[in-house]
Amino acid sequence: NAGVTQTPKFQVLKTGQSMTLQCAQDMNHNSMYWYRQDPGMGLRLIYYSASEGTTDKGEVPNGYNVSRLNKREFSLRLESAAPSQTSVYFCASRKQGASAEAFFGQGTRLTVV
Amino acid sequence: AQSVTQPDIHITVSEGASLELRCNYSYGATPYLFWYVQSPGQGLQLLLKYFSGDTLVQGIKGFEAEFKRSQSSFNLRKPSVHWSDAAEYFCAVGPIQGAQKLVFGQGTRLTINP
Repeated sequence: NAGVTQTPKFQVLKTGQSMTLQCAQDMNHNSMYWYRQDPGMGLRLIYYSASEGTTDKGEVPNGYNVSRLNKREFSLRLESAAPSQTSVYFCASRKQGASAEAFFGQGTRLTVV
Repeated sequence: AQSVTQPDIHITVSEGASLELRCNYSYGATPYLFWYVQSPGQGLQLLLKYFSGDTLVQGIKGFEAEFKRSQSSFNLRKPSVHWSDAAEYFCAVGPIQGAQKLVFGQGTRLTINP
């Protein structure tokens, strides 16, 4: 049981390039999330999808787009990367229910030069 | 707005000493509270959670946390730390505004002295 799988694990982009971070979960969870982690800032929510077919903005959505392709997959796209988007990105999923725990992927370390 | 504050960015304790990591939340309704641990280079793993009932909750790896509504706190404790406890710890609250969001604190980095 793989849980939450993110690809790639590492990526270096030049300013202005685009890329898509992939996330897939095999736990049949309804909700999926994208967070970014920066030193001293904790985890900040970029976008989330409460269920298949819906997406909503989190705290820091600017510069990002998401697609909930199906129940398993939730991708994050950077259309024109900026150095300020250098960060570690985590995907997470939860089943329905307020007390449900979130399961996290291993993270993608993105550097924009 | 709902928020989570972890006042201590970095804590250093000696191996075998007791530990308390602080977490304060701001939330209008009964919160669902979580503590996660992140080992270096890894994703986050759930330590414990509170959503109702006994205000003292037990988690994995010998951790416990106590919910105090009057203080809006959910502090994490361990009686005796081990070198393997060195990690970053995150407090989180959810759901937020009826949605399925989890909001995290800034994290506390724990260093263990031998």
